Amino acid sequence: EAGVAQSPRYKIIEKRQSVAFWCNPISGHATLYWYQQILGQGPKLLIQFQNNGVVDDSQLPKDRFSAERLKGVDSTLKIQPAKLEDSAVYLCASRGLQETQYFGPGTRLLVL
Amino acid sequence: AQRVTQPEKLLSVFKGAPVELKCNYSYSGSPELFWYVQYSRQRLQLLLRHISRESIKGFTADLNKGETSFHLKKPFAQEEDSAMYYCALSGFGAQKLVFGQGTRLTINP
Repeated sequence: EAGVAQSPRYKIIEKRQSVAFWCNPISGHATLYWYQQILGQGPKLLIQFQNNGVVDDSQLPKDRFSAERLKGVDSTLKIQPAKLEDSAVYLCASRGLQETQYFGPGTRLLVL
Repeated sequence: AQRVTQPEKLLSVFKGAPVELKCNYSYSGSPELFWYVQYSRQRLQLLLRHISRESIKGFTADLNKGETSFHLKKPFAQEEDSAMYYCALSGFGAQKLVFGQGTRLTINP
């Protein structure tokens, strides 16, 4: 089966600019996650969707981060405006009934 | 609070030597524990989970609730085991994962 797809793979922006990331989960997976992984740390959950509804966004900095999954399939994560500390790898994962999360390749963001 | 601690950022062993990657956790309840691995230029993937009690690629991990640990072990390391290893926990149903900071394992020839 095709894995989780993410784009772009790399992005360089200046602080205060906006950026968007896209994720296409494994077909049929109802649960979708966005994680932030800062260099030297493990992934940290930002938001979890079940179909097109938000299950957990307690660690999402809502003043600058937003995410949506309008049709319960693809998802976008946006940062506006970006800060230097947002430099990280943004991972998307999806999960079906088997309770295993499958991760995408990640988008590496550098904010200058 | 949920927390996963991997005390070693780096671990280097020789091929054929035993390997143990340490993981301690804090969780008020009955957690599910996982080990994820990321090989060079590959995506993060599940290595094993405690409820399945499997041995994957020669690795095993036993949940010790008394010591709140879930150490990953392999009796004889191979060069292809070189990777980044993350311990993670979740509550019931494995919905939300909390990761440790990771241990970079290097197997020397």
